[in-house]
Amino acid sequence: AQSVTQLGSHVSVSEGALVLLRCNYSSSVPPYLFWYVQYPNQGLQLLLKYTSAATLVKGINGFEAEFKKSETSFHLTKPSAHMSDAAEYFCAVSDLSGGSNYKLTFGKGTLLTVNP
Amino acid sequence: KAGVTQTPRYLIKTRGQQVTLSCSPISGHRSVSWYQQTPGQGLQFLFEYFSETQRNKGNFPGRFSGRQFSNSRSEMNVSTLELGDSALYLCASSLAQGLDTQYFGPGTRLTVL
Repeated sequence: AQSVTQLGSHVSVSEGALVLLRCNYSSSVPPYLFWYVQYPNQGLQLLLKYTSAATLVKGINGFEAEFKKSETSFHLTKPSAHMSDAAEYFCAVSDLSGGSNYKLTFGKGTLLTVNP
Repeated sequence: KAGVTQTPRYLIKTRGQQVTLSCSPISGHRSVSWYQQTPGQGLQFLFEYFSETQRNKGNFPGRFSGRQFSNSRSEMNVSTLELGDSALYLCASSLAQGLDTQYFGPGTRLTVL
């Protein structure tokens, strides 16, 4: 069974500081990994995805994530936080193990606060 | 191209009632998935439809059901509503099957009183 752990339910950074949101996954087969962002009263927007190509994935709004198989991690980073980055971020995994290839398994989410 | 649309956006029901939520996928997308989002349980997979067939189902009671029409639009139904069914219900669509990226709609906020 696949699972996702996001370390830190709440992360607070100053504007201009590095953003690091942590995600560790568990999967019995090579996974596909995703980061989504959710703004208040909205649905989920895809930031980036890893599909077994390059291990460093670049997404929208200056975000990127690195797949590290040895650490089973897929941490999300952004060099310089902007006020508009304040939102909740979800890491998700999907893989081709029986019955799970049509669903995403999400982490509990990390609420990012950006201070002026 | 228009995104995933969900109707209604907000809904208030009372315990014991039933409710139907609607989802229109992105044009050309044939797969529709449903998720429930609550503060306590987070995002949980309900079910997924492709070509009018349910291909996968999450761990929810039989009160939760869905269907997909020939135009790929989908509905989910919850019967005999309970207070714990209060949640944001999100619909996502993808092109086909397998591990295609899922694109989410804005959700339907259901409140059960």
